[in-house]
Amino acid sequence: LAKTTQPISMDSYEGQEVNITCSHNNIATNDYITWYQQFPSQGPRFIIQGYKTKVTNEVASLFIPADRKSSTLSLPRVSLSDTAVYYCFSTDKLIFGTGTRLQVFP
Amino acid sequence: DTEVTQTPKHLVMGMTNKKSLKCEQHMGHRAMYWYKQKAKKPPELMFVYSYEKLSINESVPSRFSPECPNSSLLNLHLHALQPEDSALYLCASSRTGATNEKLFFGSGTQLSVL
Repeated sequence: LAKTTQPISMDSYEGQEVNITCSHNNIATNDYITWYQQFPSQGPRFIIQGYKTKVTNEVASLFIPADRKSSTLSLPRVSLSDTAVYYCFSTDKLIFGTGTRLQVFP
Repeated sequence: DTEVTQTPKHLVMGMTNKKSLKCEQHMGHRAMYWYKQKAKKPPELMFVYSYEKLSINESVPSRFSPECPNSSLLNLHLHALQPEDSALYLCASSRTGATNEKLFFGSGTQLSVL
């Protein structure tokens, strides 16, 4: 996962589903795919983590294909408070991806 | 208590000053981390302590000196910094430092070097 690619920014409207993809062609065998959310002037906050297939928690879902070369964070029915930067993260190298700035409009 | 507390929240220092950043957690975590984040960039790993021992130093200049006095405290001593060192300094902790653990971050110290 060490070298990752994410879209720089995305726009959405309240109530819509947002999918953010991270490409990680060189993911290590022991790497877990992890996503963090960061608001301005705050530290990143853990959202979700998975190794393969699909993981769901109370705030998001994470889809990971069999080859694990990418992952998709899915945020259902976003609200204005979901406006933030979203990072995929390499647990092997402790490196953040480039980040996706999500802007949610009313 | 799932909080990582960083002090001060803001710090302005001259290039000849010596200052320290402090980080504290009471979750019983045994791994602690320092990250540096420039504006509109992702956080970059600086140091990792595991069981109070320095386990990772990402080739950080010696003007940054980490210290882990005990499992709850992490300090970052600053000396002779440069203006380009101005950034948000983030502290994090995790349970043991194992690969798949979630990191808990503080809100950071916004450092300005004049």
